[in-house]
Amino acid sequence: DSGVTQTPKHLITATGQRVTLRCSPRSGDLSVYWYQQSLDQGLQFLIQYYNGEERAKGNILERFSAQQFPDLHSELNLSSLELGDSALYFCASSPRTSNPETQYFGPGTRLLVL
Amino acid sequence: GDSVTQMEGPVTLSEEAFLTINCTYTATGYPSLFWYVQYPGEGLQLLLKATKADDKGSNKGFEATYRKETTSFHLEKGSVQVSDSAVYFCALTGLWGAQKLVFGQGTRLTINP
Repeated sequence: DSGVTQTPKHLITATGQRVTLRCSPRSGDLSVYWYQQSLDQGLQFLIQYYNGEERAKGNILERFSAQQFPDLHSELNLSSLELGDSALYFCASSPRTSNPETQYFGPGTRLLVL
Repeated sequence: GDSVTQMEGPVTLSEEAFLTINCTYTATGYPSLFWYVQYPGEGLQLLLKATKADDKGSNKGFEATYRKETTSFHLEKGSVQVSDSAVYFCALTGLWGAQKLVFGQGTRLTINP
């Protein structure tokens, strides 16, 4: 158990809908990362937050957004969902106490868009 | 941009066989290198890491050496077990600033008893 929790574990929804994925980092970790794992694209970095502020952006679609709250949990919002958004979404956190940071991954949220 | 290339899978071995999973990278500067493992139905776990050239990362019998001259970070284990069956990902990240991980495509390993 990495100490990173993600909810829900599974999500089934329809095209055009909007969903929110939630991540709670390990206690004390200030950085949160979101990754998407799909069969065709592999594991791709989406976005990073550090202590409430956006730090880096990867190949994140405009339909997707994220935020990190004062209690350090993070949410990834996916809107106008398409079939191709079906994937496993991972959250990771890191302590930011060393260089390089070790990222600890949650169990993921499996999203299925029908 | 930075990238990681892993050997194509899947890889199937018998128990106690020697394992090598090749990983090469392209990056500006001197990245840090990682191997992550994903067991069925679970998230990724850090297996080992190396932060500079000639460093050797090791954990649970697995080893990988950071080779700057060949831009490689091959994963090895002398005697695999059925419990090592998983998907293995090679990854890199830069120093300071944003620490996003760039992953290889993953190699599925199956160990038969």
